[in-house]
Amino acid sequence: QKEVEQNSGPLSVPEGAIASLNCTYSDRGSQSFFWYRQYSGKSPELIMSIYSNGDKEDGRFTAQLNKASQYVSLLIRDSQPSDSATYLCAVKNNQGGKLIFGQGTELSVKP
Amino acid sequence: NAGVTQTPKFQVLKTGQSMTLQCAQDMNHNSMYWYRQDPGMGLRLIYYSASEGTTDKGEVPNGYNVSRLNKREFSLRLESAAPSQTSVYFCASSDRVKGGWGGGGRGEAFFGQGTRLTVV
Repeated sequence: QKEVEQNSGPLSVPEGAIASLNCTYSDRGSQSFFWYRQYSGKSPELIMSIYSNGDKEDGRFTAQLNKASQYVSLLIRDSQPSDSATYLCAVKNNQGGKLIFGQGTELSVKP
Repeated sequence: NAGVTQTPKFQVLKTGQSMTLQCAQDMNHNSMYWYRQDPGMGLRLIYYSASEGTTDKGEVPNGYNVSRLNKREFSLRLESAAPSQTSVYFCASSDRVKGGWGGGGRGEAFFGQGTRLTVV
């Protein structure tokens, strides 16, 4: 079992819809959680970080964390074609310093 | 600020050749990482260094060695390249997570531009 798991997709949503991306992790000692966006041929770029249970909103993006269920999600409201990319969930155990990524979910937003 | 700089950007090796991928960061970060990315596999951690002077194995360390030369630099060495090591390699760095809600130091990783390595 991978330490961080995501649905690989592809996930296809129409423009203007809400895209929902999910991630589960196995290390209960994990303390920091991140969502990265990666366009084809480019490096990953950070879009959201979350450290405590609940929701965190930043513009059209909302990250949700449930440590009891070991579950992290990312909601993208009013999806745009420019949001089409691969979204990577990453989890960090701050004691050991290891930063582990899921396999990524490919999102396609259709005009 | 250059951020995280990797060299080279592209490399073709013959099976059995050796090479070193270089990575340097100018953000005064404590932690540095090497990942490889293959289609459909996300980023897989090869080795990481939580602080200067320490290195630890990640998910896929076999066939690789690393050196944390100083706080800025973290190199990845392939001693005898194999076709299975054909991949895109990313270096990243991050600061330690600090307490409180102040800006900075929350553990976010920043990436270099990647090295596309082909082993024939």
